[in-house]
Amino acid sequence: DAMVIQNPRYQVTQFGKPVTLSCSQTLNHNVMYWYQQKSSQAPKLLFHYYDKDFNNEADTPDNFQSRRPNTSFCFLDIRSPGLGDAAMYLCATSRDRDSLLEQYFGPGTRLTVT
Amino acid sequence: GQQLNQSPQSMFIQEGEDVSMNCTSSSIFNTWLWYKQEPGEGPVLLIALYKAGELTSNGRLTAQFGITRKDSFLNISASIPSDVGIYFCAGDGDSNYQLIWGAGTKLIIKP
Repeated sequence: DAMVIQNPRYQVTQFGKPVTLSCSQTLNHNVMYWYQQKSSQAPKLLFHYYDKDFNNEADTPDNFQSRRPNTSFCFLDIRSPGLGDAAMYLCATSRDRDSLLEQYFGPGTRLTVT
Repeated sequence: GQQLNQSPQSMFIQEGEDVSMNCTSSSIFNTWLWYKQEPGEGPVLLIALYKAGELTSNGRLTAQFGITRKDSFLNISASIPSDVGIYFCAGDGDSNYQLIWGAGTKLIIKP
């Protein structure tokens, strides 16, 4: 089945220790998104790629970076995680510009910062 | 900025009951989407609505795009235990890729 895959599902990191979360998709979608979701809240968009074009949301902290080496993979790098960065991180995809709002989500990576 | 008011915040239902939840806004939306999120999982797209007045079904789920373009509702008929989760409405934001999210409706099955 075509899908959005996130690894790992659970990640524990230490305060200030860089961490990378990964996302891959077999949908062959052009657009990939990273969201942060805190407990019982709606997802919050961090940034997205349309193909190789990177688009950062204005309120995304500099501590968060992303890479998309090819169509299938996208990475979220947190350079110096703080306790406030503990959250569920969701990757999502959209097929193309004509369907940007229909976003398909992966299962998420739950990040714990100790 | 645009905001979505989603209600109710939570619902306690018995198996077999019909469920109704809605989202309203003071702003006009061109697209409404309904997602379901189960614990520890990502949101799953249930229904997408693109036209005012549109009524769309997906199995036991029915959603409508309000005529005024400022509201949408989701109905679930004959609820079953696997319907539990958080249901989010979302609408098109200021850009063509940005979703504005409601706060979610948590559906709980009474024992």
